Amino acid sequence: QVQLVQSGAEVKKPGASVKVSCKASGYTFTYYYIHWVRQAPGQAPEWMAIINPSGGTTSYAQRLQDRVTVTRDTSTSTVHMELSSLRSEDTAVYYCARGASTGTTGWFDPWGQGTLVTVSS
Amino acid sequence: EIVLTQSPDTLSLSPGERATLSCRASQSVTSSYLAWYRQKPGQAPRLLIYGASTRATGIPDRFSGSGSGTDFSLTISRMEPEDFAVYYCHQYGRSPYTFGQGTKLEIK
Repeated sequence: QVQLVQSGAEVKKPGASVKVSCKASGYTFTYYYIHWVRQAPGQAPEWMAIINPSGGTTSYAQRLQDRVTVTRDTSTSTVHMELSSLRSEDTAVYYCARGASTGTTGWFDPWGQGTLVTVSS
Repeated sequence: EIVLTQSPDTLSLSPGERATLSCRASQSVTSSYLAWYRQKPGQAPRLLIYGASTRATGIPDRFSGSGSGTDFSLTISRMEPEDFAVYYCHQYGRSPYTFGQGTKLEIK
């Protein structure tokens, strides 16, 4: 079955960087876009970024584009999301989710299990 | 950016009752690219509806979606215990892709 499995929880200090991974299985990795979405405690999800695993092209939410980088490794069917210059407001659960197979327009299904990133001094 | 506003914020219902959730967009949602998700505590959101009215694979027919343009709704015909959760609408037609603030369905 289609599955996205994410790396484990992280605790970081303000100013540090964090890298979260998302390993895909059950389908052809390069055929579907992958999104990153984060959800702060008690808040709605917030879209962060999209990557085309085939060519590696990316697009980022404007408010995060200076701090977020998404890459992929086709040999391991894994997408990585790195967020730098962490601040307390970045404390959230970070999800990857599969998007469309053609173009960037598509619903998000399935989602990874989520990775809690805690930023605290 | 398309802002999605859901109403109500919280809805108190008994099992077996009907639930109607609303999602209003600040501008027209391209080609009804509107989805609904259910999120239980400690879990990732799960896709229920896409294209405003198409049920995702494995979703029971008590869930139905409707609407177009700027006004959309999700109806649960008879609430089951597992349906008490938070529901989000989501537009995926135009970047940045946005979510509503959520509607919590709680047990009366």
